[in-house]
Amino acid sequence: AQTVTQSQPEMSVQEAETVTLSCTYDTSESNYYLFWYKQPPSRQMILVIRQEAYKQQNATENRFSVNFQKAAKSFSLKISDSQLGDTAMYFCAFMETNTDKLIFGTGTRLQVFP
Amino acid sequence: NAGVTQTPKFQVLKTGQSMTLQCAQDMNHNSMYWYRQDPGMGLRLIYYSASEGTTDKGEVPNGYNVSRLNKREFSLRLESAAPSQTSVYFCATKLTGTKGYTFGSGTRLTVV
Repeated sequence: AQTVTQSQPEMSVQEAETVTLSCTYDTSESNYYLFWYKQPPSRQMILVIRQEAYKQQNATENRFSVNFQKAAKSFSLKISDSQLGDTAMYFCAFMETNTDKLIFGTGTRLQVFP
Repeated sequence: NAGVTQTPKFQVLKTGQSMTLQCAQDMNHNSMYWYRQDPGMGLRLIYYSASEGTTDKGEVPNGYNVSRLNKREFSLRLESAAPSQTSVYFCATKLTGTKGYTFGSGTRLTVV
């Protein structure tokens, strides 16, 4: 069964600095999709960024980018120029291609300080 | 355009009571999902429905039942609530292709 591991329960960063959140996963599939979701205190789940495993190029969305290492099964999220509004829980997720089920990691709580 | 609507947003139940969490989507998506979120455990899949009239168990189905009566609605029922079911519950639908899910705003359920 696929698993997703986020080894950093909590992280903090100063405003305007850069922070990287780690995620590793385990799968025997060759094609799959990876996601980062943000959950602010409002509880809403917000899609941050998506990566297709067959694409070597790392996905980017404005200040958010990923470092996707397929051989190492690693999918880290880099947030540049951190803002107070980035304070949230961040979840890494893996999508099974045969069932379309999303499997989540346990999350990393990020605090951005002024 | 509401997306995914969950009701209620908050609920307190006594042990042994029953209730149904409602979820409705207006995006004409086939697949719908119920997750629970607990501290330190992320989101875990309870049940899912790949299409109208079909349902399948996820990772933590015990103590729950679901109904997918039509394409829009997917409800989650607790027949006899237990304190271990205290959690935040999310309903989600799968976006077209492989673009991930869109989520409802969640239901915070407390069983005392």
